[in-house]
Amino acid sequence: DAMVIQNPRYQVTQFGKPVTLSCSQTLNHNVMYWYQQKSSQAPKLLFHYYDKDFNNEADTPDNFQSRRPNTSFCFLDIRSPGLGDAAMYLCATSSNYRGWKSYTFGSGTRLTVV
Amino acid sequence: AQTVTQSQPEMSVQEAETVTLSCTYDTSESDYYLFWYKQPPSRQMILVIRQEAYKQQNATENRFSVNFQKAAKSFSLKISDSQLGDAAMYFCAYVDNDMRFGAGTRLTVKP
Repeated sequence: DAMVIQNPRYQVTQFGKPVTLSCSQTLNHNVMYWYQQKSSQAPKLLFHYYDKDFNNEADTPDNFQSRRPNTSFCFLDIRSPGLGDAAMYLCATSSNYRGWKSYTFGSGTRLTVV
Repeated sequence: AQTVTQSQPEMSVQEAETVTLSCTYDTSESDYYLFWYKQPPSRQMILVIRQEAYKQQNATENRFSVNFQKAAKSFSLKISDSQLGDAAMYFCAYVDNDMRFGAGTRLTVKP
């Protein structure tokens, strides 16, 4: 089945040690999103790619970066994780900008910072 | 900026009964979408139901239905014949250019 896959499911990293989270999709969607969801809070949009065009939310910390080497893959890089970055990170895709009928979430990566 | 408000942090319902979760939003747009997502402890975001703002008819998916009041900017979710598996966090989401979520309502289903 076509889907959005996030790896790993659980990630433990050390304070200050760079970490990369991965998202891949077999849906051939041209828009990919990254959300951060802290415990008992709503998901918060960090940034999205429309094809290769990167769009950063104004309040996304500089510590967070993203790469999209091709249509299928998108990476979230946290350069120097702090304890406050521990959260669930959700990847989502859609078939077009504003293609909300096709919006699909991955299962998420739970990041722990020790 | 658009905001989404879920005024009920927690709700409880007896199994087989009906429960309504509230959602209001603020926007100056006329074209947008509204969603309800279910998030169980696994944290997977599961689409429950979707409503296009230009459609006057309320969306329905099996036991789930919405009451969409565009003028009042209200989008409530009704769950009929509640089941134990319905227990989860429910998020209301508003979309025009990107998706914005409410704070969520934690639903407990009592056997």
